[in-house]
Amino acid sequence: AQKVTQAQTEISVVEKEDVTLDCVYETRDTTYYLFWYKQPPSGELVFLIRRNSFDEQNEISGRYSWNFQKSTSSFNFTITASQVVDSAVYFCALNAGGTSYGKLTFGQGTILTVHP
Amino acid sequence: DSGVTQTPKHLITATGQRVTLRCSPRSGDLSVYWYQQSLDQGLQFLIHYYNGEERAKGNILERFSAQQFPDLHSELNLSSLELGDSALYFCASSARGRGQGEFFGPGTRLTVL
Repeated sequence: AQKVTQAQTEISVVEKEDVTLDCVYETRDTTYYLFWYKQPPSGELVFLIRRNSFDEQNEISGRYSWNFQKSTSSFNFTITASQVVDSAVYFCALNAGGTSYGKLTFGQGTILTVHP
Repeated sequence: DSGVTQTPKHLITATGQRVTLRCSPRSGDLSVYWYQQSLDQGLQFLIHYYNGEERAKGNILERFSAQQFPDLHSELNLSSLELGDSALYFCASSARGRGQGEFFGPGTRLTVL
């Protein structure tokens, strides 16, 4: 079975602070994909990143960076110099093989509020 | 714009009624996935269709059904609606059955009164 845990239910920061959103996953598959999504108040799911299990390189995209560590089954997401527009719910998700082929298993989400 | 379209955007109906949600995948994508996002259950996979055939089922109630038509659009039918069916329903599409997840529709917000 696949499982994704986002232990932080809510995080509140002040603008320009750095913030890290944690994601821990469980799967027995050796090949899998990890995702992060942003869901702003308008409700749509905005794709941020996909990482496959064979690529443990960290990635940086502007103010966003991702740290993938297979040894700890974690795929954490850091926003540097947060802005009010970053306020949203962030979801981590897992796409693994076997009977769950193709579907995404989502974490419960982390509500991020960035105060001016 | 992901290229995945969903209609209607909002739907308000009463308990016991039946509704149909529609999804058009990105051009050329053969796979369509349905997800439900509710306050108590979070985001959950419902069902996956590939080129007209059902490929996987998740936590989909018996009152719910889906199909994918020859033109690849998909419909999710929800019947005997209950208050707890109020949720945001997302559709996603992909060209391959694995490793995707980039393309989600804007969702249909269903409110059951």
